[in-house]
Amino acid sequence: DQQVKQNSPSLSVQEGRISILNCDYTNSMFDYFLWYKKYPAEGPTFLISISSIKDKNEDGRFTVFLNKSAKHLSLHIVPSQPGDSAVYFCAASPLGSGNTGKLIFGQGTTLQVKP
Amino acid sequence: NAGVTQTPKFQVLKTGQSMTLQCAQDMNHNSMYWYRQDPGMGLRLIYYSASEGTTDKGEVPNGYNVSRLNKREFSLRLESAAPSQTSVYFCASGGVAYNSPLHFGNGTRLTVT
Repeated sequence: DQQVKQNSPSLSVQEGRISILNCDYTNSMFDYFLWYKKYPAEGPTFLISISSIKDKNEDGRFTVFLNKSAKHLSLHIVPSQPGDSAVYFCAASPLGSGNTGKLIFGQGTTLQVKP
Repeated sequence: NAGVTQTPKFQVLKTGQSMTLQCAQDMNHNSMYWYRQDPGMGLRLIYYSASEGTTDKGEVPNGYNVSRLNKREFSLRLESAAPSQTSVYFCASGGVAYNSPLHFGNGTRLTVT
């Protein structure tokens, strides 16, 4: 039973355009959400996070939106750059776990940004 | 600054063989984690150590053991490898406080034949 789902295995966008990566979750007890980026042969690297008490968090070209009623979050990358081509993982931390390293990950979405 | 270092990078085992995956971090983090990544499954938590001297099971602990040797090092042991343990294994540190996201190593690709 996948509690965090990324239903799009892949996404292709043109350089300079917006990339929107989506993530759905089923457990209303998640209270912290993160996005990680992963290049081939490397470990995931932290990109951006959002607490469940917020609906938006922005960091440079990256913005994460959280819609708790829909149990949905999205990552917007504007403008997209070829170096953004990677696998993006959505992850969630259970409420009360007291530990944001105990994460439930989605399956990942491979983003390709074409020059 | 090396961050999180995993050894080996690649390993091939026969069914029933044992091995230990090594992990060390130099960021003075209290917490360390072992995840596995399988195609179409994302990353799943195997074991974690919230602090030196403690270890706890994650989502998929069966077939594995761990040792938190000291604050820097956290090893993962497969006592009798099975083909279902073919995966990419990632060690990570950090992640307790909300402003302390996980830092991952570059992974160990394990194949069990």
